[in-house]
Amino acid sequence: AQSVTQLGSHVSVSEGALVLLRCNYSSSVPPYLFWYVQYPNQGLQLLLKYTSAATLVKGINGFEAEFKKSETSFHLTKPSAHMSDAAEYFCAVSRSGGTSYGKLTFGQGTILTVHP
Amino acid sequence: NAGVTQTPKFQVLKTGQSMTLQCAQDMNHEYMSWYRQDPGMGLRLIHYSVGAGITDQGEVPNGYNVSRSTTEDFPLRLLSAAPSQTSVYFCASSYGRFQGSGNEKLFFGSGTQLSVL
Repeated sequence: AQSVTQLGSHVSVSEGALVLLRCNYSSSVPPYLFWYVQYPNQGLQLLLKYTSAATLVKGINGFEAEFKKSETSFHLTKPSAHMSDAAEYFCAVSRSGGTSYGKLTFGQGTILTVHP
Repeated sequence: NAGVTQTPKFQVLKTGQSMTLQCAQDMNHEYMSWYRQDPGMGLRLIHYSVGAGITDQGEVPNGYNVSRSTTEDFPLRLLSAAPSQTSVYFCASSYGRFQGSGNEKLFFGSGTQLSVL
C-alpha cells in the first residue's frame, strides 16, 4: 500500500521568496513520485516526476524536487515565487516496476498563495 | 490532438437520478481511470482500466459503475445519485506500464463538476 502526506494545506509566500511545499510518502516498494499543479477550474498538469534516475529532479516553470529515501520525502521547491505560481499542488506516488500503470495515490493538496 | 475529453463540464442531478459521465482519449492509451476531487481530500481513485474489457475498483467505487468496450472510451455511470457524490470528477489516462521507460505520466481531462441535490 502507498500513501502520501502533504504538510500544510495552505502556504503563503511573497513574490520573489522561496517556495517550499512538503511531501512525505509511504510505500512498500520503490516508488515513483510526482508533483502535479492545478490552476483554478482546470485539470492537473505534471510539474515533474521521479522514476529512480537522478534524485534531484527539475521540472517546468523553475520547480524542482529532491527524492530523499532516508527521509521518505519529495519536497517541491522554487527559488523565487511568481504571481503565476498561485495554484493548488498535489504530490502523488505510484508503484514502480513492470506491473504498475498510472494508478496514482494523491496527497491532500497544498494551496499556494503568492502575495505581491 | 484533443488528449482526454470529458463531457459534460457541469451537471446538476436530483437524488436518485442516474447519469453517465463520458471520457474519451485519442492517444491510444492502455490505462484509463476516474478520480473524484473533494476539498481537503485530494483526488481519490474510483475505478480504473488497464485495457479494453478490463476494469477494477479503486479506493471509492461504491455507487459507480464503469465499462471499457473500446480503448478510447471509459464512461463512468452513477446508478442512483446521492448528495455525497457531489464532487469534481476527473478522467485520466496513461500510455502503459510505469517501468522507467519515460512514459510515466498521467494525462488529465478538464473535469466534470457534479452537484446532487
